[in-house]
Amino acid sequence: TQLLEQSPQFLSIQEGENLTVYCNSSSVFSSLQWYRQEPGEGPVLLVTVVTGGEVKKLKRLTFQFGDARKDSSLHITAAQPGDTGLYLCAGARSQYGQNFVFGPGTRLSVLP
Amino acid sequence: GAVVSQHPSWVICKSGTSVKIECRSLDFQATTMFWYRQFPKQSLMLMATSNEGSKATYEQGVEKDKFLINHASLTLSTLTVTSAHPEDSSFYICSARRQTRINTEAFFGQGTRLTVV
Repeated sequence: TQLLEQSPQFLSIQEGENLTVYCNSSSVFSSLQWYRQEPGEGPVLLVTVVTGGEVKKLKRLTFQFGDARKDSSLHITAAQPGDTGLYLCAGARSQYGQNFVFGPGTRLSVLP
Repeated sequence: GAVVSQHPSWVICKSGTSVKIECRSLDFQATTMFWYRQFPKQSLMLMATSNEGSKATYEQGVEKDKFLINHASLTLSTLTVTSAHPEDSSFYICSARRQTRINTEAFFGQGTRLTVV
């Protein structure tokens, strides 16, 4: 059973378009992280959200943690080819790091 | 920010030889580290959990005698692929989690591309 679901699994868009990636679960998380992985490299931490309803912005990326802390979204505005990669969400079931789970990932391709 | 360093970034070895991959947490102590394997265009697959000072915990289907894990210190875990075969060729990634008072964050190494010829 996948504790964290991500949608869509694959996304191919043109440069300049907007997109949203979703991370959903029936479980409550104490915190949730988003990562981006480029080919041939390890995942890089983009953001951590901790508070229900929290919104964080990282340039053209907007991250939101659901009010109930069961889901999260990543919105990219005016996507660029450099945004291409595998986006992973990960949730910690407790602040002590137990039951840290990863979603299956969303593979984004931004075409010039 | 916290950094996890993995070495080597890539390695080519002959079939039958063993390869050691190192994973270091550079500015925090990690009593637990994690080893993942990633196939092309797929997500991360957890292989094993490395525990400092005790035996590693392997996921179902992962051969512990094939993938030897040693976590001798609070900042270093090693994965040794023994008697490597071409089917072991893959991208291996380690991770360590930093725990703060309010949350836990996972940081990844750069990954190691293993090619067995």
